[in-house]
Amino acid sequence: ETGVTQTPRHLVMGMTNKKSLKCEQHLGHNAMYWYKQSAKKPLELMFVYSLEERVENNSVPSRFSPECPNSSHLFLHLHTLQPEDSALYLCASSPGQLNQPQHFGDGTRLSIL
Amino acid sequence: QKEVEQDPGPLSVPEGAIVSLNCTYSNSAFQYFMWYRQYSRKGPELLMYTYSSGNKEDGRFTAQVDKSSKYISLFIRDSQPSDSATYLCAMSSNTGNQFYFGTGTSLTVIP
Repeated sequence: ETGVTQTPRHLVMGMTNKKSLKCEQHLGHNAMYWYKQSAKKPLELMFVYSLEERVENNSVPSRFSPECPNSSHLFLHLHTLQPEDSALYLCASSPGQLNQPQHFGDGTRLSIL
Repeated sequence: QKEVEQDPGPLSVPEGAIVSLNCTYSNSAFQYFMWYRQYSRKGPELLMYTYSSGNKEDGRFTAQVDKSSKYISLFIRDSQPSDSATYLCAMSSNTGNQFYFGTGTSLTVIP
């Protein structure tokens, strides 16, 4: 596989469920990102990891919990989500953190019932 | 004021037309500029990456940056139906650790 791969592509969950989103990059990059994309809104940066250390957390609610076990894998653990959390969640990677072009996966479409 | 402003469209053009997509921004420190194309049900795909002012050309695509006006453009020549997508601009400063994105412009090229 090449590029940035996200699983699952679609996820429907209840507000009390716990689930995880997975991202894997095959580009040899050192930085990984989680974004939220909602209709008619700019991409919202959620978390940034550089060399497996979190370097940015843009005031994201604690019901979203990221995990980066190594530079190729990134997870987003979800629990007790709200209906307004329904969105497309995109993972991206870049060679380094600062000002490097980011390469995106195709996202996980999340629907909260 | 938003960091980046982008007209959401939708924009509809006939095949073969020249398309102009634009973004304005407020932060004069922005130095790095990117354009992404996003097809339905796919992630954003990097089209152009430029630094500071000037033009950059890649095939039918030309990216233009005017820092004095805080205005960037993406031109598509000889547009094709396969260019139908949403186009996102993004930008960052020298010391910034994140890119700021526009809302995206939806483009349809009619055969």
